[in-house]
Amino acid sequence: LAKTTQPISMDSYEGQEVNITCSHNNIATNDYITWYQQFPSQGPRFIIQGYKTKVTNEVASLFIPADRKSSTLSLPRVSLSDTAVYYCLVGVSNDYKLSFGAGTTVTVRA
Amino acid sequence: GAVVSQHPSWVICKSGTSVKIECRSLDFQATTMFWYRQFPKQSLMLMATSNEGSKATYEQGVEKDKFLINHASLTLSTLTVTSAHPEDSSFYICSARERTGTGLLYGYTFGSGTRLTVV
Repeated sequence: LAKTTQPISMDSYEGQEVNITCSHNNIATNDYITWYQQFPSQGPRFIIQGYKTKVTNEVASLFIPADRKSSTLSLPRVSLSDTAVYYCLVGVSNDYKLSFGAGTTVTVRA
Repeated sequence: GAVVSQHPSWVICKSGTSVKIECRSLDFQATTMFWYRQFPKQSLMLMATSNEGSKATYEQGVEKDKFLINHASLTLSTLTVTSAHPEDSSFYICSARERTGTGLLYGYTFGSGTRLTVV
């Protein structure tokens, strides 16, 4: 899997938008970009996945520039319950081994 | 959506004893299941890949005789920590991939994890 780099931590306040950028300079042509969310003492939970341009679901948006060497997860109007670790993963659809990086700890304050 | 049930959610055992953790895919068949270990404030580390009907594949540095994995059916994989020691205390998480999934990464569903404390 392609190596990813993301900020270690980010702080925000309730109601703000949080944008987490992940760098994946050696992303391969067939690689998808996936983000997971993990709360303390729980397993990771899928947030969003994309290949190029923009993907949006009820939870977040994922922006992927044309060169695909980075991606940005956007969490709109965060609440205290969005405090978690967010992981960016890059890999091919048939690669069955998920390799987690350090992730980004997002702390939302009142 | 796909659900993976992991049991128990927490366990405390004495040093030298063995502990079994179960991972079940509730509404889908999982040809492959994965076991991770996570220490406090660290990321998930893949321990092994469990394939139904065959031997597990362990990552480098993981003792296969200590962490026994059995994947006897398409819906159940178990991880047994044998002769547990305090340094084995950790958060263990399993994940499963749907057998008929499209192969996209979001086909992986994680269990809720098991907190193992060895005293």
